[in-house]
Amino acid sequence: GQNIDQPTEMTATEGAIVQINCTYQTSGFNGLFWYQQHAGEAPTFLSYNVLDGLEEKGRFSSFLSRSKGYSYLLLKELQMKDSASYLCAVRDGDYKLSFGAGTTVTVRA
Amino acid sequence: GAVVSQHPSRVICKSGTSVKIECRSLDFQATTMFWYRQFPKQSLMLMATSNEGSKATYEQGVEKDKFLINHASLTLSTLTVTSAHPEDSSFYICSAREVGGSSPLHFGNGTRLTVT
Repeated sequence: GQNIDQPTEMTATEGAIVQINCTYQTSGFNGLFWYQQHAGEAPTFLSYNVLDGLEEKGRFSSFLSRSKGYSYLLLKELQMKDSASYLCAVRDGDYKLSFGAGTTVTVRA
Repeated sequence: GAVVSQHPSRVICKSGTSVKIECRSLDFQATTMFWYRQFPKQSLMLMATSNEGSKATYEQGVEKDKFLINHASLTLSTLTVTSAHPEDSSFYICSAREVGGSSPLHFGNGTRLTVT
């Protein structure tokens, strides 16, 4: 099975940087994903890591350490529209995704 | 980009009736589709994995006779909630994996089911 932990809530100021950590213990690993989900909507894909290191995509970056079972999502230059839930998900060898409970990020002016 | 269409987006039904939710991959063939359920302020919980032409694989605790899944083609999977009860009210989301693809899953827009 999968055990995925991430903080419940985080608050930051517009223009700032926020780092959302995710730790996992899994029975199989075939990649780690970060999704953004606004209330009442489906998740949208943000980033994907399968090898150790940092992946950068514009204002969003994601890091993975497989030996530590650890990942983080870094959001830079926060905007009000970034207020959402951020889901860490681990994919196993059968391509099933298991999701963490999500981190609600609130961006304040 | 790859698009997954889910229909209906919202449905209200009476207790005891059945509801069918469709999930279609619009511009790619999906060898595998996944059905998730999400309760308010909770994360997505995988219900079942649907493979084209074969029986779905259900996660532990999910009643296969209550949540009927049919994956009749490489572009369509359906979830039927049979004899729905108020506790089945939830947000149901499908996702699809491209044939031979290791890319991220593509999600439908979800179906908000309310059982009265």
